[in-house]
Amino acid sequence: GAVVSQHPSWVICKSGTSVKIECRSLDFQATTMFWYRQFPKQSLMLMATSNEGSKATYEQGVEKDKFLINHASLTLSTLTVTSAHPEDSSFYICSARAFGSLNTEAFFGQGTRLTVV
Amino acid sequence: GQQLNQSPQSMFIQEGEDVSMNCTSSSIFNTWLWYKQDPGEGPVLLIALYKAGELTSNGRLTAQFGITRKDSFLNISASIPSDVGIYFCAGQLGYGGATNKLIFGTGTLLAVQP
Repeated sequence: GAVVSQHPSWVICKSGTSVKIECRSLDFQATTMFWYRQFPKQSLMLMATSNEGSKATYEQGVEKDKFLINHASLTLSTLTVTSAHPEDSSFYICSARAFGSLNTEAFFGQGTRLTVV
Repeated sequence: GQQLNQSPQSMFIQEGEDVSMNCTSSSIFNTWLWYKQDPGEGPVLLIALYKAGELTSNGRLTAQFGITRKDSFLNISASIPSDVGIYFCAGQLGYGGATNKLIFGTGTLLAVQP
């Protein structure tokens, strides 16, 4: 299957600082990327859907000013957690769907473990 | 956010046993997917189902898209220790726009004792 790479794999930051997470599709172009958050022992919860060149669509209850999403190219989307607080500590996962594909198969990154201290 | 009902929540079995888990929804889905997630990793797609009634196999794994389009099951035959992980179902309503997103099940934790 196609490869989606996330960076960093883990990050520890101080409360109040901002953290940027990158999601790259390495061998295909992704018109749509999805960002999920997963708390321990819980399922993946969709935060937002990102389409290349347009504004992201956020799920209900997700603060768009806190979780900034940029999808500037067909191979890169970024999630910036602004003014992070301990309750933002979680496992963040992105997935990408290939350009022009009606197939629902979306490939997932390996995830980023964020710890805010 | 919306989630699918997945059961059982966890399973502890002996190596060689067969496993069955299922997902149900109050909504109709056009696609059902099954993923496996290892600790600290992203989900990996196991099987994708696109038609009601479809039965698809991938090695020792078999999954079916329910006739009502509101449920799906996953079977694992002759389990082995590396089957350990969390299994998630996911449903998708459609192909375009807001229906493009995946809704995930609550997950089934599988432990296999050698």
